Amino acid sequence: KAGVTQTPRYLIKTRGQQVTLSCSPISGHRSVSWYQQTPGQGLQFLFEYFSETQRNKGNFPGRFSGRQFSNSRSEMNVSTLELGDSALYLCASSLETGTNQPQHFGDGTRLSIL
Amino acid sequence: GNSVTQMEGPVTLSEEAFLTINCTYTATGYPSLFWYVQYPGEGLQLLLKATKADDKGSNKGFEATYRKETTSFHLEKGSVQVSDSAVYFCALRVGTSGTYKYIFGTGTRLKVLA
Repeated sequence: KAGVTQTPRYLIKTRGQQVTLSCSPISGHRSVSWYQQTPGQGLQFLFEYFSETQRNKGNFPGRFSGRQFSNSRSEMNVSTLELGDSALYLCASSLETGTNQPQHFGDGTRLSIL
Repeated sequence: GNSVTQMEGPVTLSEEAFLTINCTYTATGYPSLFWYVQYPGEGLQLLLKATKADDKGSNKGFEATYRKETTSFHLEKGSVQVSDSAVYFCALRVGTSGTYKYIFGTGTRLKVLA
């Protein structure tokens, strides 16, 4: 069974640009969450999608957005990139959205802003 | 509010030493508790979980018991190996139907020396 796949693995952008990251969940998983991981802030929750609907959102500005498609694949978009957006972005999927559902993580997309 | 507090690392141990990584939490409602592990260059992997008070999660020699009275979920292993060197994250998932959130600790880096 294939794991969570994130593309691309590495990305270099400049300030002001925008970027789209992609996540393919484990087959059959309908919930997809996104996280930003930085050395200073640790792992911070961005948002969660379930059945193409955003179910939960963290405390990030509106420059960060996402969507989920009918096949459960998800994309995350960041517009007007800032230097502080440099981070490892992790996607995680789970079967359903429920309290005892473990999440399965991809290896992440490392975004560097120059 | 909901939060997770982990002991700061790095933790450096000799092979076959006993490991404890402390984790305490505050949460509204009845959270599920998790330990995840992250190896260099990879995403997080679920290590173990516990969904209710007094549950003990265990995997690969690691154990953690959900202690509601002390709001703790400490990770233990009787004899660590060099291959256990990684970053360990304590996490809780809390919420109600349709609105769930994962809260992660800041991570504890473990280094095991041969």
